[in-house]
Amino acid sequence: DAGVIQSPRHEVTEMGQEVTLRCKPISGHDYLFWYRQTMMRGLELLIYFNNNVPIDDSGMPEDRFSAKMPNASFSTLKIQPSEPRDSAVYFCASRDGSGGGAAETQYFGPGTRLLVL
Amino acid sequence: AQSVTQLDSQVPVFEEAPVELRCNYSSSVSVYLFWYVQYPNQGLQLLLKYLSGSTLVKGINGFEAEFNKSQTSFHLRKPSVHISDTAEYFCAVSENTGFQKLVFGTGTRLLVSP
Repeated sequence: DAGVIQSPRHEVTEMGQEVTLRCKPISGHDYLFWYRQTMMRGLELLIYFNNNVPIDDSGMPEDRFSAKMPNASFSTLKIQPSEPRDSAVYFCASRDGSGGGAAETQYFGPGTRLLVL
Repeated sequence: AQSVTQLDSQVPVFEEAPVELRCNYSSSVSVYLFWYVQYPNQGLQLLLKYLSGSTLVKGINGFEAEFNKSQTSFHLRKPSVHISDTAEYFCAVSENTGFQKLVFGTGTRLLVSP
């Protein structure tokens, strides 16, 4: 398997522009997570899906952020409008939940490094 | 709610020396514990995990960790480090009841020099 795939790997945009980050989870995984990593706040969970349904979006910073998972093999995280403080590395991760209730292993993608000028 | 404290933001060490990266957690219920490694410009990779059973857990790349419930710790150790172990290491915790979110520590940067 190719692992979790994220695109783009790097994104530079100007304040006010819309940004869309994409993620393809590992085939067969039924959980998908979006994380944000910054120097100040470390690694934060933004939202996670189970079987394409958003379960917990309490980590989404504000209404400018939205996430969708239209099918089992694709998810997007959108920021509109973007602000300089959104600059961070955004990770997508997926997990196979069929083995039971444990948090078990989440497999991370390489991340998207976002810079908002 | 759980929390994780990684006491050292950076640990410098010489090649072939032993290393210990410290992790303490706080939780009112039983937990699962994890160590992840992040190499430069890459995502996180699972090193090892404690779910139940033996408190000494062995992971990849020669790392091991010991769960100490009384001290609420899960320190990561390696008897002899290599230059290639230079990376950021994250400790994480979750409740062990059903599916629970992972809560990550702030990370410890391990710097191995010749």
